Amino acid sequence: QQQVKQSPQSLIVQKGGISIINCAYENTAFDYFPWYQQFPGKGPALLIAIRPDVSEKKEGRFTISFNKSAKQFSLHIMDSQPGDSATYFCAAIKRTSGSRLTFGEGTQLTVNP
Amino acid sequence: EPEVTQTPSHQVTQMGQEVILRCVPISNHLYFYWYRQILGQKVEFLVSFYNNEISEKSEIFDDQFSVERPDGSNFTLKIRSTKLEDSAMYFCASRLAGVNTGELFFGEGSRLTVL
Repeated sequence: QQQVKQSPQSLIVQKGGISIINCAYENTAFDYFPWYQQFPGKGPALLIAIRPDVSEKKEGRFTISFNKSAKQFSLHIMDSQPGDSATYFCAAIKRTSGSRLTFGEGTQLTVNP
Repeated sequence: EPEVTQTPSHQVTQMGQEVILRCVPISNHLYFYWYRQILGQKVEFLVSFYNNEISEKSEIFDDQFSVERPDGSNFTLKIRSTKLEDSAMYFCASRLAGVNTGELFFGEGSRLTVL
């Protein structure tokens, strides 16, 4: 019940296209859903995050869509750029107790020029 | 910009040997974490540390693992007797006090290779 399922495992997109990464969770106690971006040789870095009482959050070219009833959320990268090529992890946390972030399996995004 | 620093960047060790991975969290952060990432797999929680004690640990964090904050700046992960399956990238992370928003600041990792 602690798992976060992420798909696809890898994604290739042309420059200017839209990248979409999907995640699903089971534990309804999760109350915050961050996305992390990881470049090769680096640690994960927070990209954007959403609370479950919000259906959508946008920051620049990055948008999270959240469907609480389906227990699903997704990351959309508009106008994808080669510099967006990285591994993306969705994650979930229950903020008021426990400290652990539960990560999805990761999506390796490649944006071709 | 303040950052989490980790040493060594890569350590190769023989099975059964002890290793210590070191981290210097961001100076005003109060919560500290270790995560690991086996090559090509997801990032997994190991342990969290607050107020000089473990606040939570995962099933992975068995008796072979220990953490310590020996002084005001360092945070260490010790693996007492390494196994082949301990080979992974180990990430230290830290965060500010207050409600956990899931915003952790990660270091660049220490790659451990157990032969």
